[in-house]
Amino acid sequence: NAGVTQTPKFRILKIGQSMTLQCTQDMNHNYMYWYRQDPGMGLKLIYYSVGAGITDKGEVPNGYNVSRSTTEDFPLRLELAAPSQTSVYFCASSYLGVNEKLFFGSGTQLSVL
Amino acid sequence: QQQVKQSPQSLIVQKGGISIINCAYENTAFDYFPWYQQFPGKGPALLIAIRPDVSEKKEGRFTISFNKSAKQFSLHIMDSQPGDSATYFCAASNSAGGYQKVTFGTGTKLQVIP
Repeated sequence: NAGVTQTPKFRILKIGQSMTLQCTQDMNHNYMYWYRQDPGMGLKLIYYSVGAGITDKGEVPNGYNVSRSTTEDFPLRLELAAPSQTSVYFCASSYLGVNEKLFFGSGTQLSVL
Repeated sequence: QQQVKQSPQSLIVQKGGISIINCAYENTAFDYFPWYQQFPGKGPALLIAIRPDVSEKKEGRFTISFNKSAKQFSLHIMDSQPGDSATYFCAASNSAGGYQKVTFGTGTKLQVIP
């Protein structure tokens, strides 16, 4: 099993550009999440999804959008990239939504210059 | 009230020594306390977790101690090895609301020197 796969691993964007971070999981998990990780700040939840067609905002959703058309895929969209979005982004999934293990991808390192 | 405070920010331990990382929380509604281990260039991976009805949980060289009255919990790594060098995140989650709302600590970078 591949688990949670994220692409790309690295990306440099110019201010104002847009891009989509891809995330796919092959564990048939209902719940999927996007986190950003900044030095000394831990992980902050951007958006989450409890199943195909259902998404909701986390702690830091501004500047991002998501969609969930299938159980497997949960892409994160940056519409107008800003330097404040320079971060490492992690996608995660879990089978149940309550008090259980999160499975993380290996991350996407994004720089906005 | 949703914060989880983690200390120290970094830690250097000799091989064979005990590594101790501490976390404190405020929200008494938290009901699940996992620890995640992250190696450079990788995503976090669940190491060990505890629920508040238990004061201690041990898995191999890793032990969580939980003090419900003090709202504190800690990770102890016995006989620390260079392969344990990683960043450790404590976390807390609240099952209310129907999904896993996880609050992470800010992380501790552990270096185990030979």
